[in-house]
Amino acid sequence: GESVGLHLPTLSVQEGDNSIINCAYSNSASDYFIWYKQESGKGPQFIIDIRSNMDKRQGQRVTVLLNKTVKHLSLQIAATQPGDSAVYFCAGSSPSGAGSYQLTFGKGTKLSVIP
Amino acid sequence: DAGVIQSPRHEVTEMGQEVTLRCKLISGHNSLFWYRQTMMRGLELLIYFNNNVPIDDSGMPEDRFSAKMPNASFSTLKIQPSEPRDSAVYFCASRRGGTNYEQYFGPGTRLTVT
Repeated sequence: GESVGLHLPTLSVQEGDNSIINCAYSNSASDYFIWYKQESGKGPQFIIDIRSNMDKRQGQRVTVLLNKTVKHLSLQIAATQPGDSAVYFCAGSSPSGAGSYQLTFGKGTKLSVIP
Repeated sequence: DAGVIQSPRHEVTEMGQEVTLRCKLISGHNSLFWYRQTMMRGLELLIYFNNNVPIDDSGMPEDRFSAKMPNASFSTLKIQPSEPRDSAVYFCASRRGGTNYEQYFGPGTRLTVT
């Protein structure tokens, strides 16, 4: 069945350094991927997405890379700041029938930024 | 735009009591998702609706859980009777319906069943 998992449950990064968070997925039918950021006591917040016809997408300080060959995606955060400390989830979207799509979430990686 | 609104933000109840969680979608969205989040199991999809119609409820734990969308902008998730193992944070999320776009999450309801 569908599963989306993360390689590293925790990541500690020095402020100013770059962060890389990895994610693997298993469902080849997944054609859309999203990274969410969840701060303590809040709901997941959309960061960036990428569709399966792309292998890279950049946002403000964030870049998502998609490797469909090995079913892997990563989130890169440039110049990590204390405000980036949170749990990061990857999610894969695949068709679920009736023209609808369903997200499957990974377990999450906790990013801690060291001042 | 106010975003997805959930109420209550916190709920503490005794085992056996009925619990009702509420969610208001973002205006213009017509897909609604209910999730449960725990430390052990992470984010789990419970049920989702398109245009008020339940599409997939396979994630609903058991018959004690039920969800409704009485209109296009509002949904409830009811647990009756509640049990301690239902303690979790419950999120709803909305999306532009029927299409492959991101979901927007509400702030969640933290449920504690004693």
